[in-house]
Amino acid sequence: QKEVEQNSGPLSVPEGAIASLNCTYSDRGSQSFFWYRQYSGKSPELIMFIYSNGDKEDGRFTAQLNKASQYVSLLIRDSQPSDSATYLCAPRAQGNTGKLIFGQGTTLQVKP
Amino acid sequence: NAGVTQTPKFQVLKTGQSMTLQCAQDMNHNSMYWYRQDPGMGLRLIYYSASEGTTDKGEVPNGYNVSRLNKREFSLRLESAAPSQTSVYFCASSAAFESYGYTFGSGTRLTVV
Repeated sequence: QKEVEQNSGPLSVPEGAIASLNCTYSDRGSQSFFWYRQYSGKSPELIMFIYSNGDKEDGRFTAQLNKASQYVSLLIRDSQPSDSATYLCAPRAQGNTGKLIFGQGTTLQVKP
Repeated sequence: NAGVTQTPKFQVLKTGQSMTLQCAQDMNHNSMYWYRQDPGMGLRLIYYSASEGTTDKGEVPNGYNVSRLNKREFSLRLESAAPSQTSVYFCASSAAFESYGYTFGSGTRLTVV
């Protein structure tokens, strides 16, 4: 079992729709969870952080965390073609190394 | 504000050649990391330095060495490059807070022929 699992996609949604990206993780000690967006040929950029169970909203993005189910998700409302990218889920490993464990990423395509 | 600076951006090596990838951050971060990214494999940790003066192996350390020169700089060395090391290499840094994620450099695209 991979430490962090994401559906590689591509996930295709029409412009204006809600895109739902899912992630499961195996390390029950993980407390912090990050979502990164990576455009083709570019480096990952941080878009969301979540620590507590429940929802966290930031603009069009909502992160959802359920530690009991070891599940994290990212919702993108009113999807735009500019949201087309690969989204990486990254729980922080337990301990004091600060390491993030990355999933393979889900490729999102938003069609005009 | 430069953030994390990686050099070079592109490099072509012949099998057996050596090279050093440079990384520097100006955010006073304690921790620094080297990842490689290959199609279908995601980001895999090569080495990391949780604080100045310490380095540890990550998931795929074979064929690489690192040096944490000071708090700002963390270099990655390929002693004898192999085609399997063709990849995109990212350096990242992070502050020592639970809520703090990584800041990535722009990457080095390395091809070994």
